Amino acid sequence: EDQVTQSPEALRLQEGESSSLNCSYTVSGLRGLFWYRQDPGKGPEFLFTLYSAGEEKEKERLKATLTKKESFLHITAPKPEDSATYLCAVGSSNTGKLIFGQGTTLQVKP
Amino acid sequence: EAQVTQNPRYLITVTGKKLTVTCSQNMNHEYMSWYRQDPGLGLRQIYYSMNVEVTDKGDVPEGYKVSRKEKRNFPLILESPSPNQTSLYFCASSLSVGDEQFFGPGTRLTVL
Repeated sequence: EDQVTQSPEALRLQEGESSSLNCSYTVSGLRGLFWYRQDPGKGPEFLFTLYSAGEEKEKERLKATLTKKESFLHITAPKPEDSATYLCAVGSSNTGKLIFGQGTTLQVKP
Repeated sequence: EAQVTQNPRYLITVTGKKLTVTCSQNMNHEYMSWYRQDPGLGLRQIYYSMNVEVTDKGDVPEGYKVSRKEKRNFPLILESPSPNQTSLYFCASSLSVGDEQFFGPGTRLTVL
């Protein structure tokens, strides 16, 4: 069964305190792994797509990496404006579906 | 501006009163999808469409209908809404299946 698990569920950081979010997945035919940012009451905003193990992508303070079983979203020196829920999703080439994890809610305190 | 639009953004209705939530995208995307988001359950796919006239069930299709008569539009229909369909609904589109999806702003539905 296709499944995505994110950890931790919630994370509190001080401004400048780097950390990582984890996304573990099982999927029949990985079409791509996606990271999104979601602010309260708004639609998810696309961040990254990763397609194969070993791939890395960066955007400002965020860096996403991918292995055969999991992905990490590294946040370096976060700022309060990075506070949001971060969602991981995998696309299945077999089913055509996008399966989401439940997200990690990040709070960065000044 | 490239975007996915949904209407209405907020809706309060009563059990059994048919409603339609519209979704439109201006990016010429082939793939469109509907999700619902509930606390503790995350985003769950209701229906998706890989192209015009092609639709398929997601993980939670019961109580919903969709149609894809035009490439840009993908309405979600609740024939007889029930309180358990109270939720936050998102429409999304992508160039093709498996590509990154772009989400609309959401429709908050309350069924009394």
